[in-house]
Amino acid sequence: GENVEQHPSTLSVQEGDSAVIKCTYSDSASNYFPWYKQELGKGPQLIIDIRSNVGEKKDQRIAVTLNKTAKHFSLHITETQPEDSAVYFCAAITYSSASKIIFGSGTRLSIRP
Amino acid sequence: EAGVTQSPTHLIKTRGQQVTLRCSPISGHTSVYWYQQALGLGLQFLLWYDEGEERNRGNFPPRFSGRQFPNYSSELNVNALELEDSALYLCASSLATGSRGSPLHFGNGTRLTVT
Repeated sequence: GENVEQHPSTLSVQEGDSAVIKCTYSDSASNYFPWYKQELGKGPQLIIDIRSNVGEKKDQRIAVTLNKTAKHFSLHITETQPEDSAVYFCAAITYSSASKIIFGSGTRLSIRP
Repeated sequence: EAGVTQSPTHLIKTRGQQVTLRCSPISGHTSVYWYQQALGLGLQFLLWYDEGEERNRGNFPPRFSGRQFPNYSSELNVNALELEDSALYLCASSLATGSRGSPLHFGNGTRLTVT
């Protein structure tokens, strides 16, 4: 069946450095790719998303890139700050009459002071 | 705009008991999703409701069930609780399925502990 592989499972970076999380999906019909941030004790919150007709999207320190040919997309966080420490989930969604939503397994990002 | 609200926030039950969790979606959202998140693990899909009907369910036993009401709120019921049911149960809502690019918005979950 369809799946989304997310790497790495844990990531530790120095404050101020960049962090990159990568996801690969299998369903070529997937057309929407959101990223979620989950802080301790809270539900996942949408931080950025990208549609299949766009290659890159940026929002301040966060950017997402999509390579439809290779079926992978990545989250880039620049100038990391302590508040970026959280678990990040990617998802691949196929919007149709029988929508499918598949989440990656998550990446625990820690920012070292 | 009020977000997705879930109740209760925490719950402690004994093995064999039954539990009902509740979810109110964002106003205007007609789809509701339920996910189970065991400690430190990923999101496991439980159920998806849209316009009052169950559209899909994940790989969970029948003792996990739910429903969606005419006002689009939803309940998740778990019967015959087992220790491994201890987890954070997350509800999410979105605009009508098929709507191009409608993201899921999550609540903060109900933390269920089974002893």
